[in-house]
Amino acid sequence: GAGVSQSPSNKVTEKGKDVELRCDPISGHTALYWYRQSLGQGLEFLIYFQGNSAPDKSGLPSDRFSAERTGGSVSTLTIQRTQQEDSAVYLCASSLRPYGYTFGSGTRLTVV
Amino acid sequence: AQSVTQLDSQVPVFEEAPVELRCNYSSSVSVYLFWYVQYPNQGLQLLLKYLSGSTLVKGINGFEAEFNKSQTSFHLRKPSVHISDTAEYFCAVSEGMPGGGADGLTFGKGTHLIIQP
Repeated sequence: GAGVSQSPSNKVTEKGKDVELRCDPISGHTALYWYRQSLGQGLEFLIYFQGNSAPDKSGLPSDRFSAERTGGSVSTLTIQRTQQEDSAVYLCASSLRPYGYTFGSGTRLTVV
Repeated sequence: AQSVTQLDSQVPVFEEAPVELRCNYSSSVSVYLFWYVQYPNQGLQLLLKYLSGSTLVKGINGFEAEFNKSQTSFHLRKPSVHISDTAEYFCAVSEGMPGGGADGLTFGKGTHLIIQP
């Protein structure tokens, strides 16, 4: 597509439930990134994919977080047993080096 | 490891006045530098980037930035701001490959630019 698409744009979930956040990158972009943006915390790097492979998962905050990418395209970030501290905007970006990142509009997650 | 410091969390400026948003970084290797803008309820949009070559980089919406290696800075400037420039501005650094790499971009905490009429 023309840009990076993220869905849903907003998600309210109950504490303890699992959520899936989807990112559809720009066609042909081989690199895909997930970031978390919390109030007062700036942007936090979560995970990076090159193709379907995630060389570095150490940015994921806990083992409740996981991510996958299939077909070198769509990526899903899954948060299991959500906690209130998971509330944030989750941003996805894709890139085709060396042109920098293109970000999606984000998914605003609220855990109540 | 790389890090980015944006010295001002908030910068109020009158419309049509010039503005400078400060960014300093630390890194032990060559870096690639970026400025992003985030309008309310939107994702981040690339303003400009420094990969190599001329240290003065021009971006969209009349913004420019200058890479100063000796001062490890990459300050963002605009000679005359408009109300529509009200947004959050993020400076970011990447070591190694442009566009990120295994560690991704490291972002500063952002500077909220407030344009006053």
